Amino acid sequence: DAKTTQPTSMDCAEGRAANLPCNHSTISGNEYVYWYRQIHSQGPQYIIHGLKNNETNEMASLIITEDRKSSTLILPHATLRDTAVYYCIVRLYGQNFVFGPGTRLSVLP
Amino acid sequence: NAGVTQTPKFQVLKTGQSMTLQCAQDMNHEYMSWYRQDPGMGLRLIHYSVGAGITDQGEVPNGYNVSRSTTEDFPLRLLSAAPSQTSVYFCATQRFSRANSPLHFGNGTRLTVT
Repeated sequence: DAKTTQPTSMDCAEGRAANLPCNHSTISGNEYVYWYRQIHSQGPQYIIHGLKNNETNEMASLIITEDRKSSTLILPHATLRDTAVYYCIVRLYGQNFVFGPGTRLSVLP
Repeated sequence: NAGVTQTPKFQVLKTGQSMTLQCAQDMNHEYMSWYRQDPGMGLRLIHYSVGAGITDQGEVPNGYNVSRSTTEDFPLRLLSAAPSQTSVYFCATQRFSRANSPLHFGNGTRLTVT
């Protein structure tokens, strides 16, 4: 079973920041948080991952709370092309990736 | 560098037919896996391999066989297709030796069994 809880769907206005939450209250100390997205039945695309520090790359920022029980993926300036299903995954090194249903993000013009 | 290549992109089978979905990677990743995705659902792991000669079952292995004779290839075989196997199939790879490296996905094979 997936170890994360995400909202089923969210809307965001184009040009605004999209903040996607993920709850992982049972996360253990060595488990990483990964984010993927899937655009219209294409293969899932890796976005970012982190352990406890906030992370940023060219696609997004990942904010992990101090107690690590939740995290937020931030797309700073959402575009229509960011409309997708976003998956938050918690995984220990050596384990398989388990995908839940994710959050369907709709970026609205 | 093509990454993860899946063939064919689309396939229609009749019940009882057999076929092999191909997955090839040129990244020298140790780990390869197969997922299926049904409409409106997340991905479910079918089989995976942590290296040549090693395979293991995932969450939904029934009706599927795999083998891993080389690092580059990880074919998925349907021996007797059933309508319940209508799905989109994704192959994914990972540099397993590098802790916490991400999965890399192919673009999928869309299979319909009639």
